[in-house]
Amino acid sequence: DADVTQTPRNRITKTGKRIMLECSQTKGHDRMYWYRQDPGLGLRLIYYSFDVKDINKGEISDGYSVSRQAQAKFSLSLESAIPNQTALYFCATSDGSGNTIYFGEGSWLTVV
Amino acid sequence: GQQLNQSPQSMFIQEGEDVSMNCTSSSIFNTWLWYKQDPGEGPVLLIALYKAGELTSNGRLTAQFGITRKDSFLNISASIPSDVGIYFCAGPTGGGADGLTFGKGTHLIIQP
Repeated sequence: DADVTQTPRNRITKTGKRIMLECSQTKGHDRMYWYRQDPGLGLRLIYYSFDVKDINKGEISDGYSVSRQAQAKFSLSLESAIPNQTALYFCATSDGSGNTIYFGEGSWLTVV
Repeated sequence: GQQLNQSPQSMFIQEGEDVSMNCTSSSIFNTWLWYKQDPGEGPVLLIALYKAGELTSNGRLTAQFGITRKDSFLNISASIPSDVGIYFCAGPTGGGADGLTFGKGTHLIIQP
């Protein structure tokens, strides 16, 4: 079983709909992250959390929100999806050093 | 913010050839990381470098932490088909407090 699990793995949604991507981890790490990957742009940080009570905006947080329900769970929401949010989304975790990040398998989101 | 410039953007090589790619930064990094992303998967850590001038190997892969602390290099010797994928360099943002900053990736394609 994967240490970092994302659901759903693939989703097609319509413009204006609310969509939630969920992430759970079994690594026991405090730090969790949501990244977005677009062709030619690499990985860009959306939000990150260092513990249940800590939420921080990343480079491209506009249009997104997150919830850290427990140490092992970190969800990403698009309140009103738009087509340019079509991308591959990755959840990731790290230990206290923050230097090494472990990624989930990704969630493909298509907004039509 | 910190930016990583990764080159080349893509490489088309023959099986058995050696590969070199590099990453440069506008600011000093204390850690350099190299990740590989296989098609349909999340990035996986290949090599971590923690000291200027450090040279570290992982099988056929060798990475170096530049002495200026603003660059790093990844070499792959005697490439094989399973080396295909996207290679990312990364460094800790904000000294590690804010996750990782990624380069835009080098797409390695191996022609039979």
